[in-house]
Amino acid sequence: KAGVTQTPRYLIKTRGQQVTLSCSPISGHRSVSWYQQTPGQGLQFLFEYFSETQRNKGNFPGRFSGRQFSNSRSEMNVSTLELGDSALYLCASSAGGDRRVYEQYFGPGTRLTVT
Amino acid sequence: EDQVTQSPEALRLQEGESSSLNCSYTVSGLRGLFWYRQDPGKGPEFLFTLYSAGEEKEKERLKATLTKKESFLHITAPKPEDSATYLCAVQAYSGGSNYKLTFGKGTLLTVNP
Repeated sequence: KAGVTQTPRYLIKTRGQQVTLSCSPISGHRSVSWYQQTPGQGLQFLFEYFSETQRNKGNFPGRFSGRQFSNSRSEMNVSTLELGDSALYLCASSAGGDRRVYEQYFGPGTRLTVT
Repeated sequence: EDQVTQSPEALRLQEGESSSLNCSYTVSGLRGLFWYRQDPGKGPEFLFTLYSAGEEKEKERLKATLTKKESFLHITAPKPEDSATYLCAVQAYSGGSNYKLTFGKGTLLTVNP
């Protein structure tokens, strides 16, 4: 089975711009979660989507948004970029769905640099 | 608020020198505890899931254990290729029918030849 893929792998943007990142989950997985990873804060949860609906949300400002398509692929968008948004953005997929515990499988991440 | 604390922050071992990494947690309604390995510039790689106190899982030189308040990742006779950051995460109830994954900041393990 192919793993989680993320595009692009690297991005350089200017403060004030917006950016869209893409994630394709493992085939058959319906849950997609997004995380921001920085050296100081570690892995922080952004949001989770399941069946095109946001099921969970972390403590990030409204500039961070996402969506999921009917094929489970997901995008996240960051508007009005700030220097502090520079980070590795990770997408993870899991089977999800019911109240069982599912492990999450991560993609390689998108390295975003804001200048 | 759910909290996950990993110690030590960094650990340097000689090849063959066994040791343990710690993950202590404070969550309401633990559903599962996960261990991941992350190499520089890559996404975390899933290692283990533990569901209840007393449970143990093994994979090659790694063994994960779980109590009601903490988990240990034991590394037996490590090799240089075991060098990585090891992350612990807990899945806990977050309201409605939803569950949230909270990560610790990780332990950076370096194994010298």
